[in-house]
Amino acid sequence: EPEVTQTPSHQVTQMGQEVILRCVPISNHLYFYWYRQILGQKVEFLVSFYNNEISEKSEIFDDQFSVERPDGSNFTLKIRSTKLEDSAMYFCASSGSHYGEQYFGPGTRLTVT
Amino acid sequence: EDQVTQSPEALRLQEGESSSLNCSYTVSGLRGLFWYRQDPGKGPEFLFTLYSAGEEKEKERLKATLTKKESFLHITAPKPEDSATYLCAVPGTYGNKLVFGAGTILRVKS
Repeated sequence: EPEVTQTPSHQVTQMGQEVILRCVPISNHLYFYWYRQILGQKVEFLVSFYNNEISEKSEIFDDQFSVERPDGSNFTLKIRSTKLEDSAMYFCASSGSHYGEQYFGPGTRLTVT
Repeated sequence: EDQVTQSPEALRLQEGESSSLNCSYTVSGLRGLFWYRQDPGKGPEFLFTLYSAGEEKEKERLKATLTKKESFLHITAPKPEDSATYLCAVPGTYGNKLVFGAGTILRVKS
């Protein structure tokens, strides 16, 4: 069964460093998303991506964040200068249609020290 | 403002004791309601999509139903392996981002 994969599973970084979180969405999906979940809190939307451009972003997704689809399979989230409050689980998701179900990856746990 | 509220926050059941989880939502023009299961430290696992009032979906011991204002996830004769957090989500009024509820933590004891 096709699934979304994410690497790394756990990333530890120092405050101010850049991190890149990687995702391989389901191969025939066209809509891609990043969400995050701070420990004990709700899953919250960061950004959606379609047709090689951002279609929607949340207030959280400021200039420190960027997304890219560098090739036909990968989808990345970059945090330029990490802050302590960026510590969270980051989930990539993909969907085959605009309002279709979104399939989530296993997540990357980001710890900023 | 788009909002999803789930109740109860936590539910403890004995194995075989059936119950229901509730999800109420406030969004203009519902374009689907999604149920997910999340195990600790893992990503949400898709369970069901419901699109219109009166619709029902079933999978093993789970049945999801939808009305105009809320959805229920019914768990019949649960087993310990059904223990997880169950999340409800809807697409926001604008765009297709999912707005999640806080979830219901279900514990089933044998």
